[in-house]
Amino acid sequence: KAGVTQTPRYLIKTRGQQVTLSCSPISGHRSVSWYQQTPGQGLQFLFEYFSETQRNKGNFPGRFSGRQFSNSRSEMNVSTLELGDSALYLCASTPTGTGESGANVLTFGAGSRLTVL
Amino acid sequence: GEDVEQSLFLSVREGDSSVINCTYTDSSSTYLYWYKQEPGAGLQLLTYIFSNMDMKQDQRLTVLLNKKDKHLSLRIADTQTGDSAIYFCAEVSGSARQLTFGSGTQLTVLP
Repeated sequence: KAGVTQTPRYLIKTRGQQVTLSCSPISGHRSVSWYQQTPGQGLQFLFEYFSETQRNKGNFPGRFSGRQFSNSRSEMNVSTLELGDSALYLCASTPTGTGESGANVLTFGAGSRLTVL
Repeated sequence: GEDVEQSLFLSVREGDSSVINCTYTDSSSTYLYWYKQEPGAGLQLLTYIFSNMDMKQDQRLTVLLNKKDKHLSLRIADTQTGDSAIYFCAEVSGSARQLTFGSGTQLTVLP
């Protein structure tokens, strides 16, 4: 069974540009969550999607957005990049969603490492 | 907001036991998790415990939960050099749809 696949693994952008990251969840998983990992702030929740609907959003500016497609694949977009957006962006999937009944363990991908110059 | 805290560093000798500690503030936490992150990789789930349990053992891993003190620990028996990594504890409460992570503990296993 394939795991969570994130593309691209590494990318370099300059300030002011925009970036789109992609996440393919485990087959059959309908919930996709995104987290940002930085040395200073640690792991912070960005948003969660389930059946193409955003169900929860973390405390990030509107420059951060996402969407989910009918096949459960998800993309996140960051517009007008800032130096502080440099981070490892992690995607995780679960069958029905974090906080639902049962442990609903999140399975994480390897991440997309974004460097903003 | 809710908070999860961990000590930043731990060094142990190969073959010894490692104990990584975590405290959390959300009294409504339902599940608590331990994840491992190796350099350049994502997060790998090690184990999790339901909040009404005191202990869970899984091979070399033992999780202890003191719900009264909101304290969680992960014990790794017979620690090996391959256990060197960053370990994160995380919690979720019933109404939330997100994990709250600690800052991570860098475990270094010395030969």
